[in-house]
Amino acid sequence: DTGVSQDPRHKITKRGQNVTFRCDPISEHNRLYWYRQTLGQGPEFLTYFQNEAQLEKSRLLSDRFSAERPKGSFSTLEIQRTEQGDSAMYLCASSSEFEDEQFFGPGTRLTVL
Amino acid sequence: AQSVTQLDSQVPVFEEAPVELRCNYSSSVSVYLFWYVQYPNQGLQLLLKYLSGSTLVKGINGFEAEFNKSQTSFHLRKPSVHISDTAEYFCAVTKWGGGTSYGKLTFGQGTILTVHP
Repeated sequence: DTGVSQDPRHKITKRGQNVTFRCDPISEHNRLYWYRQTLGQGPEFLTYFQNEAQLEKSRLLSDRFSAERPKGSFSTLEIQRTEQGDSAMYLCASSSEFEDEQFFGPGTRLTVL
Repeated sequence: AQSVTQLDSQVPVFEEAPVELRCNYSSSVSVYLFWYVQYPNQGLQLLLKYLSGSTLVKGINGFEAEFNKSQTSFHLRKPSVHISDTAEYFCAVTKWGGGTSYGKLTFGQGTILTVHP
């Protein structure tokens, strides 16, 4: 297993466009998390799945953001009508529900022009 | 709700010197505590964690941290740093519940450790 992977690694888009990011967790992990990290800050929790169920969404996640994990494996995070304030690193992590360590992917860096 | 404060945004040190990165947390419930490291252009990597038991925990790369419940602190230490320890370090907490943590991590703002030759 090569760990958590995220695609793309970098995304540059124009304001108002929609973007979608993908996360592939470690295969035996049933929990998947999305975080957002802006420059000079620590990661902030966005949302969390256990299997295919989305169990919590942060208030940071406006209605322009949607996340799915349709078969309990990979997940997608979509941002509609992007704004410059959405520019950040989007991190995905996975874990087993029986362990406390989250394994992080390399992140997707989004730049909104 | 939980919160984490990392008291130093940047810590410069010389190679082979000791270092301490400070972390304080606030929570109304029991928590698990973590330190993660982020090297440039890489994902977060777990250094060490405190779940229960001994308050002194040892992690990878010679790092250790001490949990102090009365002071709500979880400071990270290394007796002798190397150039390769230059990175950003994040303290994080998660709510404890029933033997397994809830899972959502709350991070501090990060401390950039720069090791000079």
